[in-house]
Amino acid sequence: AQSVAQPEDQVNVAEGNPLTVKCTYSVSGNPYLFWYVQYPNRGLQFLLKYITGDNLVKGSYGFEAEFNKSQTSFHLKKPSALVSDSALYFCAVRDELGNFNKFYFGSGTKLNVKP
Amino acid sequence: DGGITQSPKYLFRKEGQNVTLSCEQNLNHDAMYWYRQDPGQGLRLIYYSQIVNDFQKGDIAEGYSVSREKKESFPLTVTSAQKNPTAFYLCASSIGQENQPQHFGDGTRLSIL
Repeated sequence: AQSVAQPEDQVNVAEGNPLTVKCTYSVSGNPYLFWYVQYPNRGLQFLLKYITGDNLVKGSYGFEAEFNKSQTSFHLKKPSALVSDSALYFCAVRDELGNFNKFYFGSGTKLNVKP
Repeated sequence: DGGITQSPKYLFRKEGQNVTLSCEQNLNHDAMYWYRQDPGQGLRLIYYSQIVNDFQKGDIAEGYSVSREKKESFPLTVTSAQKNPTAFYLCASSIGQENQPQHFGDGTRLSIL
């Protein structure tokens, strides 16, 4: 069955330090992976995606994510966190072999960046 | 600008009342979705539609109904059968290709009076 896990409910980091938000997935075929960010009382905004090719994907606002097939992970990273990065982050996957119109979301990770 | 518009932003429901949440997109996307978000929880799929005049139940469809009469519109009705409707409701759309992300509206917050 398809699923996404975000093992940390919350991640705390100091401004200027690197950040990592973790995501692991389970799908039947090749995964199509996405990261979204949500600010309070807003919808989700797309940050980046992995489809195929380079394992390091670069996205919006200086975020990047590393795809690791053997560990079935797709961790979100940023070299230097900003206070304005504080938000809720969601990982999502589409399954190549499943109903590709269905997205499976993780439970979300709240990122707190302190000045 | 292309996007998804949800209305109203805030909605209040009385006991025994049905309410309808609006979702309109001008992205020319084939697929549309409704999700429910509760505090501290992720997104749960209520219904989705891949083409006009067709829709499928998601994981928590009980107490909800939808229609897809036009490509750009996918309204959600929260019926009186939904006993715990207080939540943040998100509408999304996507083009029918697996390598493309979903686009989201800014949500409707539904509360019980």
